[in-house]
Amino acid sequence: DAKTTQPNSMESNEEEPVHLPCNHSTISGTDYIHWYRQLPSQGPEYVIHGLTSNVNNRMASLAIAEDRKSSTLILHRATLRDAAVYYCILRRGGADGLTFGKGTHLIIQP
Amino acid sequence: DADVTQTPRNRITKTGKRIMLECSQTKGHDRMYWYRQDPGLGLQLIYYSFDVKDINKGEISDGYSVSRQAQAKFSLSLESAIPNQTALYFCATSVQGPVGETQYFGPGTRLLVL
Repeated sequence: DAKTTQPNSMESNEEEPVHLPCNHSTISGTDYIHWYRQLPSQGPEYVIHGLTSNVNNRMASLAIAEDRKSSTLILHRATLRDAAVYYCILRRGGADGLTFGKGTHLIIQP
Repeated sequence: DADVTQTPRNRITKTGKRIMLECSQTKGHDRMYWYRQDPGLGLQLIYYSFDVKDINKGEISDGYSVSRQAQAKFSLSLESAIPNQTALYFCATSVQGPVGETQYFGPGTRLLVL
């Protein structure tokens, strides 16, 4: 899988939007952009994924740059429960397991 | 009830012992995975299985073996445990969908090798 680059940590205030960036300049045409998060003492959980178009679901939105070399996970209104490590992962359809980097540690201040 | 369960949740063992970690799923997925996570790092893939007759090595399979007893069960064994296998172990399942694949993770097994 191609490599992704994320900031080590970010801090935000409760009830404010959060924009988590991810750079993936070596992305190939068949790579899906996946986001997972890992809450403290839990296994990772799926957040969202997309290929070319922006995506929305009940948890978050995914904004994908036109050249697909970067993407942004958007939490529209952060809560304390959103404090977690967020992983941006590229994955080809039909490939083997996910390749996790260190992710971004999101801290939410009350 | 949890869709992906792991037993035990915590385990302490001694160097040289053989141990088995178990994973069960009720999601009906064909694909299952074992990952390990070291403190402060992301997950690394140990083994994966796309169906009962299919077993594949991941990036860090040395020192580990697996068994896919049924679609719902995937076990990870440490043949002779060593201290640097102390880690958090996660099982996951997935199914290929029309717009890509989503993985579902268990709660993890915390293993300490003394």
